[in-house]
Amino acid sequence: EAGVTQFPSHSVIEKGQTVTLRCDPISGHDNLYWYRRVMGKEIKFLLHFVKESKQDESGMPNNRFLAERTGGTYSTLKVQPAELEDSGVYFCASSQDWGGSPYEQYFGPGTRLTVT
Amino acid sequence: AQTVTQSQPEMSVQEAETVTLSCTYDTSENNYYLFWYKQPPSRQMILVIRQEAYKQQNATENRFSVNFQKAAKSFSLKISDSQLGDTAMYFCAFMRLYSGGGADGLTFGKGTHLIIQP
Repeated sequence: EAGVTQFPSHSVIEKGQTVTLRCDPISGHDNLYWYRRVMGKEIKFLLHFVKESKQDESGMPNNRFLAERTGGTYSTLKVQPAELEDSGVYFCASSQDWGGSPYEQYFGPGTRLTVT
Repeated sequence: AQTVTQSQPEMSVQEAETVTLSCTYDTSENNYYLFWYKQPPSRQMILVIRQEAYKQQNATENRFSVNFQKAAKSFSLKISDSQLGDTAMYFCAFMRLYSGGGADGLTFGKGTHLIIQP
């Protein structure tokens, strides 16, 4: 069974440009999470999807960030326009629905975003 | 809001030794899970061990065990007979559970970089 995958693994963009990160969760996992780790700081929660619906987006830093989850499958996180402080590693994680073992989140390898 | 504190940015021990990583947390919630995640160099983060807050018995997974002190809000990880492959970043994490089912996203500590020396 394939794990959580993320694309690209690394992105370098200039301030003001747009970047879209993609996450493919484990097949059948209803819950999908986005997290971000800025250099030297904690990994921070950004948002949580249950299927295609946003369950909690309290961690999204501002309206330059837009997350979508098409048909409850893969998810994208768009940053537009990117700022220097958006640099960091963006992690995606997925977990089963609440009837299964929902409390174990499986993480992707992360996308390292560098804004110059 | 919950906070998780890992006070050891880096630790180094010899292979086969036992090492304990500390973690404290702050919450007013009563229904939650605690986790230790491991991220080896250039690899994905994986779950090491999980503790349900309502369970008094400390969780164990082979060489990994926790010391869960709910009243003190402490959740340390003990690695016995450490191996070179245990070298990684270790993150302590908190998850608040909803009464009707479901849970928040994880709240992480800053991590401890554990180095196992040969």
